[in-house]
Amino acid sequence: KAGVTQTPRYLIKTRGQQVTLSCSPISGHRSVSWYQQTPGQGLQFLFEYFSETQRNKGNFPGRFSGRQFSNSRSEMNVSTLELGDSALYLCASSLEGFQGEKLFFGSGTQLSVL
Amino acid sequence: DAKTTQPPSMDCAEGRAANLPCNHSTISGNEYVYWYRQIHSQGPQYIIHGLKNNETNEMASLIITEDRKSSTLILPHATLRDTAVYYCIVRGTASKLTFGTGTRLQVTL
Repeated sequence: KAGVTQTPRYLIKTRGQQVTLSCSPISGHRSVSWYQQTPGQGLQFLFEYFSETQRNKGNFPGRFSGRQFSNSRSEMNVSTLELGDSALYLCASSLEGFQGEKLFFGSGTQLSVL
Repeated sequence: DAKTTQPPSMDCAEGRAANLPCNHSTISGNEYVYWYRQIHSQGPQYIIHGLKNNETNEMASLIITEDRKSSTLILPHATLRDTAVYYCIVRGTASKLTFGTGTRLQVTL
């Protein structure tokens, strides 16, 4: 079974631009969640999608948004990029998103904002 | 989700067992203990998880104390490839995982 796939692997943007990151979950997994990892703040939860609906949300500004498609693939968008948005963005998937399920991560998208 | 406390760093000789402790004294009855590890700039790798009973898989063993206030991840025969940051996470009803600062395990020759 293929793992969680994230594209692109690396991305360079400038302040004020917007960016879209993509995540394909493991086949059969319907829950997709997103995390941001920075050296200063560590790994922080952004949001979770299940059946095309946002089910949980972390403490990030509205510039961070996401969506999920009917095939469970997910995208996250960051608008009006700031220097502080430079981070490793990680996507994770699980079957239904229940607490006793294994959650598998992709390799991440390294975003650099100049 | 309950907070976890881990030592910031540990060393282990290759071939020896690595025992990584985690304190989660405020854990609730329905919260699971998860362990992940992360090698620099890669996504966290799932290792093992458990609720009350000890668990073992091909990678590691998880020992949870009877009162569930602490746990230990055991890598039975550490290799250089096990050098990573190890995260102990208590997971509640939401899908999200709340990561702490983890333990940086250095396996040496």
